[in-house]
Amino acid sequence: DLQMTQSPSSLSASVGDRVTITCRASQDISNYLAWYQQKPGKVPKLLIYTASTLQSGVPSRFSGSGSGTDFTLTISSLQPEDVATYYCQKYNSAPRTFGQGTKVEIK
Amino acid sequence: QVQLVQSGSELKKPGASVKVSCKTSGYSFISYAMNWVRQAPGQGLEWMGWINTNTGNPTYAQGFTGRFVLSLDISVSTAYLQISPLKAEDTAVYYCARIAREGAIDYWGQGTLVTVSS
Repeated sequence: DLQMTQSPSSLSASVGDRVTITCRASQDISNYLAWYQQKPGKVPKLLIYTASTLQSGVPSRFSGSGSGTDFTLTISSLQPEDVATYYCQKYNSAPRTFGQGTKVEIK
Repeated sequence: QVQLVQSGSELKKPGASVKVSCKTSGYSFISYAMNWVRQAPGQGLEWMGWINTNTGNPTYAQGFTGRFVLSLDISVSTAYLQISPLKAEDTAVYYCARIAREGAIDYWGQGTLVTVSS
Protein backbone atom coordinates (compact mmCIF):
# COMPACT_ATOMS: atom_id res chain seq x y z
CA ASP A 1 0.00 0.00 0.00
CA LEU A 2 1.01 3.60 -0.56
CA GLN A 3 2.77 5.18 2.41
CA MET A 4 2.55 8.78 3.58
CA THR A 5 5.65 9.92 5.45
CA GLN A 6 5.67 13.17 7.38
CA SER A 7 8.70 14.98 8.69
CA PRO A 8 9.63 16.01 11.22
CA SER A 9 7.62 13.99 13.74
CA SER A 10 7.78 16.93 16.11
CA LEU A 11 9.15 20.45 16.21
CA SER A 12 9.49 23.32 18.61
CA ALA A 13 9.54 26.88 17.32
CA SER A 14 9.13 30.41 18.62
CA VAL A 15 6.09 32.59 18.16
CA GLY A 16 6.43 34.37 14.83
CA ASP A 17 8.65 31.72 13.28
CA ARG A 18 8.04 30.23 9.88
CA VAL A 19 7.26 26.52 10.22
CA THR A 20 7.39 23.93 7.45
CA ILE A 21 6.09 20.37 7.57
CA THR A 22 6.73 17.91 4.78
CA CYS A 23 4.62 14.99 3.59
CA ARG A 24 5.95 12.50 1.06
CA ALA A 25 3.86 9.91 -0.78
CA SER A 26 5.46 6.69 -1.95
CA GLN A 27 3.57 6.99 -5.27
CA ASP A 28 2.26 9.86 -7.37
CA ILE A 29 -1.03 11.14 -5.91
CA SER A 30 -1.31 14.24 -8.13
CA ASN A 31 -2.77 16.94 -5.86
CA TYR A 32 -5.16 14.71 -3.86
CA LEU A 33 -3.66 15.75 -0.56
CA ALA A 34 -5.26 17.32 2.52
CA TRP A 35 -3.84 18.74 5.73
CA TYR A 36 -5.61 18.57 9.09
CA GLN A 37 -4.94 20.18 12.43
CA GLN A 38 -5.78 18.37 15.66
CA LYS A 39 -5.49 20.29 18.90
CA PRO A 40 -5.12 18.29 22.13
CA GLY A 41 -8.39 16.62 23.06
CA LYS A 42 -10.18 17.98 20.01
CA VAL A 43 -11.56 16.73 16.72
CA PRO A 44 -9.36 17.12 13.63
CA LYS A 45 -10.03 20.15 11.47
CA LEU A 46 -9.49 20.51 7.71
CA LEU A 47 -6.94 23.18 6.85
CA ILE A 48 -6.06 22.59 3.22
CA TYR A 49 -7.34 20.38 0.40
CA THR A 50 -6.18 19.65 -3.13
CA ALA A 51 -2.69 20.31 -1.78
CA SER A 52 -2.96 24.10 -1.77
CA THR A 53 -6.59 25.25 -1.37
CA LEU A 54 -7.26 26.89 1.98
CA GLN A 55 -10.45 25.73 3.65
CA SER A 56 -12.91 28.52 4.38
CA GLY A 57 -12.25 30.22 7.71
CA VAL A 58 -8.66 29.00 8.05
CA PRO A 59 -6.15 31.80 8.74
CA SER A 60 -4.07 32.87 5.77
CA ARG A 61 -0.81 32.16 7.62
CA PHE A 62 -1.43 28.52 6.65
CA SER A 63 -0.49 27.49 3.13
CA GLY A 64 0.11 24.29 1.24
CA SER A 65 2.11 23.40 -1.81
CA GLY A 66 3.28 20.44 -3.82
CA SER A 67 2.16 17.90 -6.33
CA GLY A 68 2.94 14.33 -7.23
CA THR A 69 4.86 12.89 -4.26
CA ASP A 70 6.16 15.86 -2.27
CA PHE A 71 4.00 18.26 -0.31
CA THR A 72 4.53 21.02 2.23
CA LEU A 73 2.42 22.71 4.87
CA THR A 74 3.74 26.10 5.92
CA ILE A 75 2.74 28.29 8.83
CA SER A 76 4.16 31.68 7.93
CA SER A 77 4.13 33.11 11.45
CA LEU A 78 3.56 30.60 14.24
CA GLN A 79 0.98 31.61 16.83
CA PRO A 80 0.31 30.11 20.28
CA GLU A 81 -3.04 28.77 19.08
CA ASP A 82 -1.27 26.74 16.40
CA VAL A 83 0.00 24.25 18.99
CA ALA A 84 -1.39 21.01 17.61
CA THR A 85 -0.57 17.86 15.70
CA TYR A 86 -0.80 18.17 11.93
CA TYR A 87 -1.66 15.29 9.61
CA CYS A 88 -1.54 14.91 5.85
CA GLN A 89 -3.93 12.53 4.07
CA LYS A 90 -4.00 11.25 0.54
CA TYR A 91 -7.40 10.74 -1.02
CA ASN A 92 -6.90 9.90 -4.68
CA SER A 93 -7.95 6.33 -3.98
CA ALA A 94 -8.37 3.83 -1.17
CA PRO A 95 -6.70 3.43 1.22
CA ARG A 96 -6.98 7.09 2.15
CA THR A 97 -3.89 6.91 4.31
CA PHE A 98 -2.89 9.54 6.88
CA GLY A 99 0.66 10.54 7.62
CA GLN A 100 1.90 9.72 11.12
CA GLY A 101 1.53 13.32 12.29
CA THR A 102 3.78 16.23 13.22
CA LYS A 103 3.48 17.68 16.70
CA VAL A 104 4.09 21.44 16.80
CA GLU A 105 5.02 23.11 20.08
CA ILE A 106 6.03 26.59 21.14
CA LYS A 107 9.63 27.07 22.26
CA GLN B 1 -25.80 23.40 9.68
CA VAL B 2 -24.02 20.13 9.03
CA GLN B 3 -23.79 17.91 12.11
CA LEU B 4 -22.45 14.44 12.72
CA VAL B 5 -23.43 13.25 16.20
CA GLN B 6 -21.98 9.99 17.42
CA SER B 7 -23.18 7.66 20.12
CA GLY B 8 -21.64 7.74 23.57
CA SER B 9 -18.63 6.06 25.10
CA GLU B 10 -18.67 2.29 25.47
CA LEU B 11 -16.94 -0.04 27.93
CA LYS B 12 -16.89 -3.60 26.67
CA LYS B 13 -15.25 -6.91 27.51
CA PRO B 14 -13.03 -8.77 25.06
CA GLY B 15 -15.13 -10.93 22.77
CA ALA B 16 -18.17 -8.66 22.97
CA SER B 17 -19.46 -6.50 20.14
CA VAL B 18 -20.11 -2.79 19.79
CA LYS B 19 -22.08 -0.71 17.32
CA VAL B 20 -21.20 2.97 17.03
CA SER B 21 -23.72 5.25 15.39
CA CYS B 22 -23.18 8.50 13.52
CA LYS B 23 -26.39 10.45 13.06
CA THR B 24 -26.19 13.20 10.47
CA SER B 25 -28.26 16.30 9.83
CA GLY B 26 -28.13 19.52 7.85
CA TYR B 27 -27.38 17.99 4.47
CA SER B 28 -28.45 15.28 2.02
CA PHE B 29 -27.11 12.08 3.59
CA ILE B 30 -26.86 10.15 0.35
CA SER B 31 -24.93 12.91 -1.41
CA TYR B 32 -21.74 12.50 0.63
CA ALA B 33 -19.77 9.36 1.40
CA MET B 34 -18.61 8.62 4.94
CA ASN B 35 -15.18 7.73 6.28
CA TRP B 36 -14.40 6.05 9.57
CA VAL B 37 -11.14 6.90 11.35
CA ARG B 38 -9.57 5.32 14.43
CA GLN B 39 -7.29 7.01 16.94
CA ALA B 40 -5.76 4.79 19.60
CA PRO B 41 -4.71 6.47 22.87
CA GLY B 42 -1.80 8.82 22.23
CA GLN B 43 -1.55 7.72 18.60
CA GLY B 44 -2.23 9.19 15.20
CA LEU B 45 -5.20 9.01 12.86
CA GLU B 46 -5.80 5.71 11.11
CA TRP B 47 -8.12 5.45 8.11
CA MET B 48 -10.42 2.44 8.55
CA GLY B 49 -12.55 2.62 5.45
CA TRP B 50 -15.43 4.40 3.82
CA ILE B 51 -18.99 3.67 2.77
CA ASN B 52 -20.80 4.88 -0.32
CA THR B 53 -24.04 6.31 1.04
CA ASN B 54 -25.72 5.93 -2.35
CA THR B 55 -25.09 2.22 -2.81
CA GLY B 56 -24.23 1.12 0.73
CA ASN B 57 -21.02 -0.39 -0.60
CA PRO B 58 -18.20 -0.32 1.99
CA THR B 59 -14.45 -0.32 1.37
CA TYR B 60 -12.13 -1.40 4.17
CA ALA B 61 -8.49 -0.65 4.79
CA GLN B 62 -6.08 -3.48 5.38
CA GLY B 63 -6.30 -4.43 9.01
CA PHE B 64 -9.99 -3.59 9.20
CA THR B 65 -11.47 -6.54 7.37
CA GLY B 66 -13.40 -9.36 8.98
CA ARG B 67 -14.30 -7.92 12.41
CA PHE B 68 -15.35 -4.47 11.23
CA VAL B 69 -18.61 -3.73 9.43
CA LEU B 70 -19.73 -0.39 8.03
CA SER B 71 -23.45 0.04 7.38
CA LEU B 72 -26.15 2.64 6.88
CA ASP B 73 -29.76 3.38 7.71
CA ILE B 74 -30.72 5.94 5.10
CA SER B 75 -34.18 6.40 6.63
CA VAL B 76 -32.59 8.05 9.67
CA SER B 77 -29.50 9.49 7.92
CA THR B 78 -27.21 7.42 10.11
CA ALA B 79 -23.99 5.51 9.52
CA TYR B 80 -22.80 2.67 11.73
CA LEU B 81 -19.56 0.96 12.65
CA GLN B 82 -19.82 -2.47 14.22
CA ILE B 83 -16.85 -4.32 15.68
CA SER B 84 -17.11 -7.98 16.67
CA PRO B 85 -15.50 -9.70 18.43
CA LEU B 86 -13.71 -6.92 20.30
CA LYS B 87 -10.07 -7.14 21.32
CA ALA B 88 -8.15 -5.07 23.84
CA GLU B 89 -6.25 -3.39 21.01
CA ASP B 90 -9.53 -1.99 19.66
CA THR B 91 -9.50 0.51 22.52
CA ALA B 92 -9.60 3.85 20.72
CA VAL B 93 -11.65 6.84 19.72
CA TYR B 94 -13.61 6.18 16.55
CA TYR B 95 -14.65 9.05 14.30
CA CYS B 96 -17.13 9.21 11.48
CA ALA B 97 -16.10 11.85 8.97
CA ARG B 98 -17.90 13.16 5.91
CA ILE B 99 -16.11 13.10 2.58
CA ALA B 100 -16.46 16.44 0.81
CA ARG B 101 -17.28 16.53 -2.91
CA GLU B 102 -13.61 17.05 -3.79
CA GLY B 103 -12.53 14.17 -1.55
CA ALA B 104 -11.07 15.52 1.68
CA ILE B 105 -12.86 15.26 5.03
CA ASP B 106 -14.83 18.42 5.74
CA TYR B 107 -16.90 17.43 8.79
CA TRP B 108 -16.14 15.09 11.68
CA GLY B 109 -18.24 13.52 14.38
CA GLN B 110 -17.24 14.25 17.95
CA GLY B 111 -15.69 10.81 18.34
CA THR B 112 -16.75 7.76 20.34
CA LEU B 113 -14.39 6.23 22.88
CA VAL B 114 -14.56 2.45 22.90
CA THR B 115 -12.71 0.84 25.79
CA VAL B 116 -12.15 -2.91 25.72
CA SER B 117 -11.09 -4.32 29.05
CA SER B 118 -11.76 -7.41 31.11
